[in-house]
Amino acid sequence: RKEVEQDPGPFNVPEGATVAFNCTYSNSASQSFFWYRQDCRKEPKLLMSVYSSGNEDGRFTAQLNRASQYISLLIRDSKLSDSATYLCVVNNVGTYKYIFGTGTRLKVLA
Amino acid sequence: NAGVTQTPKFRILKIGQSMTLQCTQDMNHNYMYWYRQDPGMGLKLIYYSVGAGITDKGEVPNGYNVSRSTTEDFPLRLELAAPSQTSVYFCASSYDYGMRETQYFGPGTRLLVL
Repeated sequence: RKEVEQDPGPFNVPEGATVAFNCTYSNSASQSFFWYRQDCRKEPKLLMSVYSSGNEDGRFTAQLNRASQYISLLIRDSKLSDSATYLCVVNNVGTYKYIFGTGTRLKVLA
Repeated sequence: NAGVTQTPKFRILKIGQSMTLQCTQDMNHNYMYWYRQDPGMGLKLIYYSVGAGITDKGEVPNGYNVSRSTTEDFPLRLELAAPSQTSVYFCASSYDYGMRETQYFGPGTRLLVL
């Protein structure tokens, strides 16, 4: 089983729609969680960290469920510019390493 | 700040050739990382460094070497290139690690081994 798993998609949604992605992780020692965004042929960029209590940044909401070992990303009022691949990233206790999921591809359609 | 810079942007190598991928950051970050990303796959950690003079292997280190003689530079050396090393290589850095630490990535080097 992969340490971090994501549905590869693509998720095709119309502009203005709400879309949610989940990411599961297998190591209960995982302590830090992030969502990164990667545009085609570009480098990943941090979208947001995921805090235990959940957090929101504008149209984006991230949640952590430690009991079920998953994190989620909710995007409201999708824009064409949200089209990208969203990478789930975890960092485990006592390590300097970040584990990347394979990403979920989102296409927002006009 | 230029952030994380990588050179070259693109390179074609013949099987058996060697090359060095350059990575430099100007943010005085302690932690630096090399990843490779194959099509449709996640990033795989090749090597990382927690400070000048300290490096360690990641998930896929075979066929690569690194050094960290300064805080700013973290070159990745490919010896005896093989077609399996065709990939996009990203260098990243962070000040620390964990919850509130952002990894900053360079623009990547696309390598084709023929």
